[in-house]
Amino acid sequence: QVQLLQSGAEVKKPGASVRVSCKASGYTFTRFAIHWVRHAPGQGLEWMGWIDGGYDNTRYSQNFQGRVTLTKDTSASTAYMELRSLTSGDTAVYYCATTGGRYYFGNWGQGTLVTVSS
Amino acid sequence: DIQMTQSPPSLSAFIGDRVTISCRASQTINSYLNWYQQKPGNAPKILIYGVSSLESGVPSRFSGSGSGTDFTLTISSLQPEDFAIYFCQQTYNFPWTFGQGTKVEIK
Repeated sequence: QVQLLQSGAEVKKPGASVRVSCKASGYTFTRFAIHWVRHAPGQGLEWMGWIDGGYDNTRYSQNFQGRVTLTKDTSASTAYMELRSLTSGDTAVYYCATTGGRYYFGNWGQGTLVTVSS
Repeated sequence: DIQMTQSPPSLSAFIGDRVTISCRASQTINSYLNWYQQKPGNAPKILIYGVSSLESGVPSRFSGSGSGTDFTLTISSLQPEDFAIYFCQQTYNFPWTFGQGTKVEIK
């Protein structure tokens, strides 16, 4: 079955960067895009962007344009999300998810808590 | 961006109650409307996709309806395991956007 395994929790200082990984298994990685969604405390879910599994296509939410970069290592079936210039407002649980070619997130990673604190 | 507005933000209900949660889109989204359930410490879980299609394995007490801009999630008989936060999501246009969530609590 499809599984998305994310890297562990991170604590960062304001102004720093963080990189979260998402290792996929149970399907052919190049078939489907990986999306990233975050959930800040007391806030709703926020879609950040996606990276195509097979091609070098990415798309980002304007809310993160210029601060986030999505990359992948196809040979390792792993996607990465890097967020720069962190502020306390970036404290959140970050999820990777895949649609399996459909229009909803059928599979999610377990989430990675990123805490930004001085 | 398409704004998704859920109501109510929270509700309290008894076991066995019928519960309805509303979601309104700021523009028409055809049938690209999904519902997720999230429990503390867990990732969201898909319940309903395409307005009214029940994801495999999801109990039939969950149902979805609506069209255009107004949508509803109904739980026909609330069970103890249904206490959670529910989110709607539109996947009609990027950026895909979510409602702010409805927290369902036990009365």
